[in-house]
Amino acid sequence: GQNIDQPTEMTATEGAIVQINCTYQTSGFNGLFWYQQHAGEAPTFLSYNVLDGLEEKGRFSSFLSRSKGYSYLLLKELQMKDSASYLCAVVDSNYQLIWGAGTKLIIKP
Amino acid sequence: GAVVSQHPSWVICKSGTSVKIECRSLDFQATTMFWYRQFPKQSLMLMATSNEGSKATYEQGVEKDKFLINHASLTLSTLTVTSAHPEDSSFYICSARGERGAPYEQYFGPGTRLTVT
Repeated sequence: GQNIDQPTEMTATEGAIVQINCTYQTSGFNGLFWYQQHAGEAPTFLSYNVLDGLEEKGRFSSFLSRSKGYSYLLLKELQMKDSASYLCAVVDSNYQLIWGAGTKLIIKP
Repeated sequence: GAVVSQHPSWVICKSGTSVKIECRSLDFQATTMFWYRQFPKQSLMLMATSNEGSKATYEQGVEKDKFLINHASLTLSTLTVTSAHPEDSSFYICSARGERGAPYEQYFGPGTRLTVT
């Protein structure tokens, strides 16, 4: 079967750094997405990794290791508005997105 | 660019009635559209995938006669929840995939909150 694991919930302090991990076991791999979803809203695109390594985009960075079936999303200089759920999704061999359950990130002042 | 709209944003209907939700790609052609359902504090659950001009492919456990999907053009897909019941109350989100953005990237609509009384 296909499986994507992320922590259910994480808490961090405003201004700090947090790393959200995602491990996956899927039938094939054609890339990995990170999306942000605020409560009651639709997901918005954060990053896409298809090759190993780190992709940096402002305060957010995403890392991929295909051999380990592992990715992480790194958020720096946390702001209160970063409180949201972060969804990891893998593109499988059928080019469908397989979604993780999401990680709820709580930012405290 | 790559904007997807959904209408209505929220709807309340009585049990036994049908509800239609529209999903439109406003500035690109969506070769594939997806319909998701999301219950509170849960992740997205893919209901069906539709390609323009062909029948939708439903995920296991999703009743195709209850959730009718039509993808009549490259910019419009509709989901009709027929004979709705309270357990159908949920947040329904559509997404579209075209030639923009990262490979296989999906652009999401704002979602429709359905409440069946």
